[in-house]
Formats: sequence, C-alpha cells, structure tokens
Amino acid sequence: DIQMTQSPSSLSASVGDRVTITCQASQDITNYLNWYQQKPGKAPKLLIYDASHLETGVPSRFSGTRSRSGTNFTFTVSTLQPEDIATYFCQQYGNLPLTFGGGTKVEIK
Amino acid sequence: QVQLQESGPGLVKPSQTLSLTCTVSNGSISTGDYHWTWIRQLPGKGLEWLGYIYYSGVTYYNPSLRSRLTISGDRSENQLSLKLNSVTAADSAVYYCARARPRGVLGQWGQGTVVTVSS
Repeated sequence: DIQMTQSPSSLSASVGDRVTITCQASQDITNYLNWYQQKPGKAPKLLIYDASHLETGVPSRFSGTRSRSGTNFTFTVSTLQPEDIATYFCQQYGNLPLTFGGGTKVEIK
Repeated sequence: QVQLQESGPGLVKPSQTLSLTCTVSNGSISTGDYHWTWIRQLPGKGLEWLGYIYYSGVTYYNPSLRSRLTISGDRSENQLSLKLNSVTAADSAVYYCARARPRGVLGQWGQGTVVTVSS
C-alpha cells in the first residue's frame, strides 16, 4: 500500500493567515492526489483533484501544488476564513488500495 | 446533482454480518465512467477505502478486507450494497458511500451512517 504522511496533524492560525499542509507519498503517484475538507459530523468534501485542480464551486483561496518528484504535495489556504475550520485530508489514487493521509485539524487562534 | 444515501442497522453483534445499502438518486450506477465506492472512518481516526464497483459491475477490494467484504450493485433499484462478515468491535465506524471519477476522485459522498459492533 502507498503510505500518505500528512503534516502537521493540527495547526492553529488567525483569520487572514496563509495556511499550508503537506502530504508525502511513499512512492511516486504522479499527480493522482486529492484534497478534502471535513467538518464535524459531515462527510468529506472534495476541494482539489489531481494535485492542483480546483473542484467546481470551491473558493479560489484553496490551492494545491506538486513537487517535481511526484511524492510531495502541498495544500494552501491563502487567506484563512472562519468557515475553513475543519480537518483536511489528502488521498492518493495512483495505486490501489486508495489511501488517505492522517488528516490536519485546522483551528482558529 | 447526484445524491447518495446510506442506510442500514446502527448496531451489529460481533461475528455477524454487517449489511448496508446506498441509494443513488439523480444518477445511474450502471452508466458513466464512475466507480461506486465504500469508505469508512474509524472513531476519531482517519479514512479507510473499503472497495468499489465499476459501472460495468467489476469490483475492487482493499486487500485487508477482501476475505470478509462483498460489494454489489442492484441496477433495478439503483443501489449499492456492502456486506462485511465476521465483524468485531474494530469494524465500528462511520460508513460512507461515494462516487469516484475516473478511478479515485471522490466527488460526491453520502452523509454517512454510524455502525457500532457490540453485543
């Protein structure tokens, strides 16, 4: 299985801050990497697919990038809003089984 | 906009079979290039992909659960089903169904259903 190492596991930031989350795959997954937002008691919601493509209807303050290696990925919230309080997960689909990162809980400072 | 809704018993006894249904509306499970997926979230923990069924009926399972898991589709009812046998407390989780395009982009999710395994 491909292991997805996500960091940090939690962070606290102020409204308006830039927030960055990273995800490292245990092997090359090219750009088969997605990012999800999960609010308490709700299902995850797709934000970014294929490493850097914004899902329709998702605010442009969310973005994703991939390093040249195909193993390192970054998710960014450019200007944190109160409604962005949630847990964020990365997920790879380069190989089966699909696997997820451990999640990053984002809180407001 | 396709909608998915999980249903099933919230409580299952150890060693029994967990059976869940996912009803799909505003979209057909037998058309389009989609993988109809089951995922679970263990209490306070991360997400685990269980498996999926392609619109053609071909299934793929997580090897960690393959010996206990069956995923099937009922085209007449436009439903997915999940059966997990010989359950233990470790199978207690929120179970989600989702639609994946083309192989692993989980664009639509059900709201999830809580399953507790306990005697």
